[in-house]
Amino acid sequence: DTGVSQDPRHKITKRGQNVTFRCDPISEHNRLYWYRQTLGQGPEFLTYFQNEAQLEKSRLLSDRFSAERPKGSFSTLEIQRTEQGDSAMYLCASTSPGPNYEQYFGPGTRLTVT
Amino acid sequence: AQTVTQSQPEMSVQEAETVTLSCTYDTSESDYYLFWYKQPPSRQMILVIRQEAYKQQNATENRFSVNFQKAAKSFSLKISDSQLGDAAMYFCAYTTTDSWGKLQFGAGTQVVVTP
Repeated sequence: DTGVSQDPRHKITKRGQNVTFRCDPISEHNRLYWYRQTLGQGPEFLTYFQNEAQLEKSRLLSDRFSAERPKGSFSTLEIQRTEQGDSAMYLCASTSPGPNYEQYFGPGTRLTVT
Repeated sequence: AQTVTQSQPEMSVQEAETVTLSCTYDTSESDYYLFWYKQPPSRQMILVIRQEAYKQQNATENRFSVNFQKAAKSFSLKISDSQLGDAAMYFCAYTTTDSWGKLQFGAGTQVVVTP
């Protein structure tokens, strides 16, 4: 069990560019979550996958954001036409099947939009 | 809408002493889970302790314990015998069984441990 991993750990991009982040959950975990955390705040829910199905999206996830989880394994989060307001830490978490709500978090991807 | 409130932006404690972090939440649900997560500087978030709402007994994990007051919608965390490694941001979080397990977090409390 290597834990939840995220790549890259840091990303600096210019406004208007597209960026993509990757999350690899713990192998047997079928549920995967994305959160966004801005400085001094708690994480905010963005979207949720159960296996390959995206079951919920927050209203925070504008049309510029898209997430996928092909084959129910790793997940990607893409932000198109980045804006300075997108600068944040993007966290991924996963949970095992069953009535277990303990989420295991990755180290996050820190995005800076200049 | 459910909300989670942590009213203490920062708490300071001396090594070996005890500190209590407060958390209140607002919900109309009867079946839910509460968590305390720890986020050390530049490190990933880890679960400290969890509490199921249907359980009356307060959860404990070694030096960490909670005081769960369901009627008051209060969920405080007590850290006993504080250690330097306890220094971190602590987040209170909430989820319901019918919300896919998505967590709602408070704004966090920064715990500073002094020697």
